[in-house]
Amino acid sequence: GQSLEQPSEVTAVEGAIVQINCTYQTSGFYGLSWYQQHDGGAPTFLSYNALDGLEETGRFSSFLSRSDSYGYLLLQELQMKDSASYFCAVRDLGTGANNLFFGTGTRLTVIP
Amino acid sequence: ETGVTQSPTHLIKTRGQQVTLRCSSQSGHNTVSWYQQALGQGPQFIFQYYREEENGRGNFPPRFSGLQFPNYSSELNVNALELDDSALYLCASSLSPFEPSSYEQYFGPGTRLTVT
Repeated sequence: GQSLEQPSEVTAVEGAIVQINCTYQTSGFYGLSWYQQHDGGAPTFLSYNALDGLEETGRFSSFLSRSDSYGYLLLQELQMKDSASYFCAVRDLGTGANNLFFGTGTRLTVIP
Repeated sequence: ETGVTQSPTHLIKTRGQQVTLRCSSQSGHNTVSWYQQALGQGPQFIFQYYREEENGRGNFPPRFSGLQFPNYSSELNVNALELDDSALYLCASSLSPFEPSSYEQYFGPGTRLTVT
């Protein structure tokens, strides 16, 4: 089976840096993704790590350590529009499909 | 490039009824996955369709069924609705499950289903 753990809520100040952690337990590991979802909106893809290390995309970076079954999403220069829920997800090939298994999400609130 | 669309946006049904939700995939994508998202939770995988065949299923009962059409659009059908079926239903399109970049799924805005 799969399980993902991430903090339920994080609050940070506009302009600051915030890190959202994710630890996982999977029967097989095929990559860790991060998605952003604003209230009432669709999840949107942010990043994907299949190998150890840091991936950077603009203000967002994602890190993976397969030996620690751990990853994080780093958001820099926080803006008010970054207030949203952030989900880590692993590829789940156990169902026969190439689907995603999501964590319960971290609600990020950016304050002025 | 046309994004993923879903209809209807909102729906209210009574327990025991049946419902059909629709999804049009992003152009160039032949794979559609359906997810159920309860309030305050992450999306949960229902099933996936690839080239009009079911290509894997999550832990949902058989009263959740689906179809994919030759244009890769898809339907989710739920029979004998229960109160716990109230949720946001998301569809996501992607490239073939065998493509290296198929990890990136493009979600539609969802259908909010309320069962009373």
